[in-house]
Formats: sequence, C-alpha cells, structure tokens
Amino acid sequence: QQQVKQSPQSLIVQKGGISIINCAYENTAFDYFPWYQQFPGKGPALLIAIRPDVSEKKEGRFTISFNKSAKQFSLHIMDSQPGDSATYFCAARMKTSGSRLTFGEGTQLTVNP
Amino acid sequence: GAGVSQSPSNKVTEKGKDVELRCDPISGHTALYWYRQSLGQGLEFLIYFQGNSAPDKSGLPSDRFSAERTGGSVSTLTIQRTQQEDSAVYLCASSYSPATDTQYFGPGTRLTVL
Repeated sequence: QQQVKQSPQSLIVQKGGISIINCAYENTAFDYFPWYQQFPGKGPALLIAIRPDVSEKKEGRFTISFNKSAKQFSLHIMDSQPGDSATYFCAARMKTSGSRLTFGEGTQLTVNP
Repeated sequence: GAGVSQSPSNKVTEKGKDVELRCDPISGHTALYWYRQSLGQGLEFLIYFQGNSAPDKSGLPSDRFSAERTGGSVSTLTIQRTQQEDSAVYLCASSYSPATDTQYFGPGTRLTVL
C-alpha cells in the first residue's frame, strides 16, 4: 500500500527558476515529514523537514509548505541551480512504527544552466 | 565524524547464491534501519533494530531475507538463494535514537543478481 504519493516523477527547470515537488499522504498518524536529496551513487541526505503543527518551514532556498487538512506537503526550491540537480524524496514517519520512514517514489530534478 | 559506511559498494552474484551486506552505523547511534531502493523506485523499509529490543522485521519481503545486529553496532543483511528481483541498492541508515528525527544514510550496496 503506497502511503505517500509524490509528483512529478521528473522535472526540468531553468537556472534561477522555482522547482516545486508535491507529496500527498494518507495516514493521519504521520508526525514528521522530511525531504531527502540523493545524488547518483550516494545515499539520501536530509534536506529539510517539517512537523504537522506548522504550515511552512524555510531554510535558505528550500521551503516546505504543509497543508494538514488536505494531507499534502510540497518542496519549493527557489533560484534553482544546476547543483540542485538530483533526485528528491519526500517521506513520512510514525513514531509508533519505530520511526521507520515511508518514502514517496522520488522526483528527478534537472536544472539547466 | 565518520558517517554510516556500507560494504561492499557493489556486489554481483549468480542466481541462487547467498550474499551478505554489511552496515557500520554512526558510533553511538542506537537505531539502525535497512531500506531497499529498486531502479527508479522510492525506498522500501526492510528491517529496524533498536538497542537490544527484538527487531521489527515486518518489511522483509520473504524468508530468504534476514538480518542481525551484533553488539548493538554492526549489522549484516543476508539474502539467501538470491533471485533476479533482489537486484537493487540496499541502504542502511542510523539515528541517535528512534525519537531522533534525522536518519543518516550510508552510500548503499548495489546488488546485481545475474
């Protein structure tokens, strides 16, 4: 059962543009929503994360917007750079499940120079 | 400090053979997770260890998969009688405790079953 749905599968953005990746979840017991960035041949690395008691979190060029009622959250990358080209995964966690992460399918982002 | 390390980085094996994948978590991290990443897919939870508690094996896809964690540190994931559908990148992650938000991932082991 896919509990976290992510879109789009791939995204091409021009340098300086805004990249937006969306995720939707089903289980209201999720209590923590991280985004991971993965470069080829590397493991995923935590980029930014949010809890459901806030609607937005910003760290530098990266912002998470969270809509609890719609059970959706999104990652916005402002002023996208070629170095941001990577695969991005949203995830969700339930503490009651041992804090395992449930991942979306991933979005391959390409930022053209 | 050192991050999560995994070995080997690549493993090619023949169908039917057994393989062992190793994970060295960050020192002091009590929680350890194994995930599987198939080509073009998201990460799939396999198994979770926390301290001396019984592991959560609910994500293991079949009884050919097993894992152990010795001394609360190093973990080994074993796949017996490998099948072609086992081909994937196997990722290990650790966190200071289950209550700690951040899971730190290793670089993964790419397993190819011919």
